[in-house]
Amino acid sequence: KNQVEQSPQSLIILEGKNCTLQCNYTVSPFSNLRWYKQDTGRGPVSLTIMTFSENTKSNGRYTATLDADTKQSSLHITASQLSDSASYICVASYNAGNMLTFGGGTRLMVKP
Amino acid sequence: GAVVSQHPSWVICKSGTSVKIECRSLDFQATTMFWYRQFPKQSLMLMATSNEGSKATYEQGVEKDKFLINHASLTLSTLTVTSAHPEDSSFYICSARSVTGASYEQYFGPGTRLTVT
Repeated sequence: KNQVEQSPQSLIILEGKNCTLQCNYTVSPFSNLRWYKQDTGRGPVSLTIMTFSENTKSNGRYTATLDADTKQSSLHITASQLSDSASYICVASYNAGNMLTFGGGTRLMVKP
Repeated sequence: GAVVSQHPSWVICKSGTSVKIECRSLDFQATTMFWYRQFPKQSLMLMATSNEGSKATYEQGVEKDKFLINHASLTLSTLTVTSAHPEDSSFYICSARSVTGASYEQYFGPGTRLTVT
């Protein structure tokens, strides 16, 4: 069964601190692993996309890692800002990217 | 980058009426669009896959007669919620698939908040 699990479900951190979100996936045949940021009441916005050959990819203060052997990914946020408060969704695509399996998301709240 | 728009961004309707939501790819052609539904504090749930010029493919448990999907052009897909009930109140998100070489990328719209009273 294709599935994506994320942890933690929710997280509260202080502004300026770093945090790491986790994602475990089981999809076949694997195409790529994506991280999205979804602000409340908005659609998801892509942060990073990694294929099985990529171990890490950065987008500003966001750095995603991928271990295709253990089927794990992480999203590290550096020097958090209040605007980072959102849900972060891990998505594994398969069948040449035709299909997506969504994780349940991690709700991040950054407090001043 | 690729932009997908949705209209309206929010809508309130009375129970029993129908509501149409539009999804447009603004700067690329999308042969395939997807419709998702998202309940509070939950992730996106795929409702149906819409292919231009053909019938939509619905996920298990989604009533095709209730959620009518039309994909008449390469830049527009519509979702019509017929005979809406309060339990249809949700956040509806579309995405459009762009093809670059042998790879696919989905771009999401900003979502439509539907409230059925």
